[in-house]
Amino acid sequence: NAGVTQTPKFRVLKTGQSMTLLCAQDMNHEYMYWYRQDPGMGLRLIHYSVGEGTTAKGEVPDGYNVSRLKKQNFLLGLESAAPSQTSVYFCASSYGRVYERQYFGPGTRLTVT
Amino acid sequence: SQQGEEDPQALSIQEGENATMNCSYKTSINNLQWYRQNSGRGLVHLILIRSNEREKHSGRLRVTLDTSKKSSSLLITASRAADTASYFCATAFNAGGTSYGKLTFGQGTILTVHP
Repeated sequence: NAGVTQTPKFRVLKTGQSMTLLCAQDMNHEYMYWYRQDPGMGLRLIHYSVGEGTTAKGEVPDGYNVSRLKKQNFLLGLESAAPSQTSVYFCASSYGRVYERQYFGPGTRLTVT
Repeated sequence: SQQGEEDPQALSIQEGENATMNCSYKTSINNLQWYRQNSGRGLVHLILIRSNEREKHSGRLRVTLDTSKKSSSLLITASRAADTASYFCATAFNAGGTSYGKLTFGQGTILTVHP
C-alpha cells in the first residue's frame, strides 16, 4: 500500500495564480484532512472531510476550497494565491473519528512570490 | 485554546542517553497522541494514550498521562542518532453529539541526538 500520497511535492506560484493540491489514500479511510505547517506554529487544520461528498472548515479555512468527490481523493484548491499561503501542506487520513490516529502524506512545499 | 504545548522547545543529547519531552494542555481530552517528524517528511504516529490510561509503552517509548495535571510525557530510552526529529503531541477532544471532534497539535520539540 502506498498509504497517503500528495501531488505535487514542490510548487512556486505567483501572487494571484491558482492551483490544486491532490491527496490520495489507498487505505479506505473515511476521514481526510488538510493541514498547513508554518515555523513555530505547529500544524493547523484547514479543511477536513468525514466522508465522500462532505467537507467542513477547520481552524484556518480562508483562501482555500476543498472537494471530496471520491472517497480516496481530497483536493485542496487555492483560487488566488497570496504570499501568506507560503507553507508546507500536509494531507492526512484516518479510519475512525477525527480524534483517532491520523496517517500523513509527505507534504507539499508551496512558495507564493 | 486546547492546544498542547511541548517543553522543551529543543533538546540536545548524546547517543545512549534518555530523552524526555513534556506536553501540557488546558481542557479535558479524549486521548493524547505523539507523532514524530523527520526533517522534510510527514508526521508519523508513535503512540496514542486514552484519558483513562496512565502509562503506555511501545518499544523504547514510554508515554505517561496525568489528567489531573493535564500533562503528558514522552520518554525515549537509549536514544540513537536516528531518533533525531521533531516530536509533536496532539490532544484529541470529542464534544459528542453532532461534533466530529478535534485533534490539535502543539508546536513540537526538536530532538537532536549526537552520535
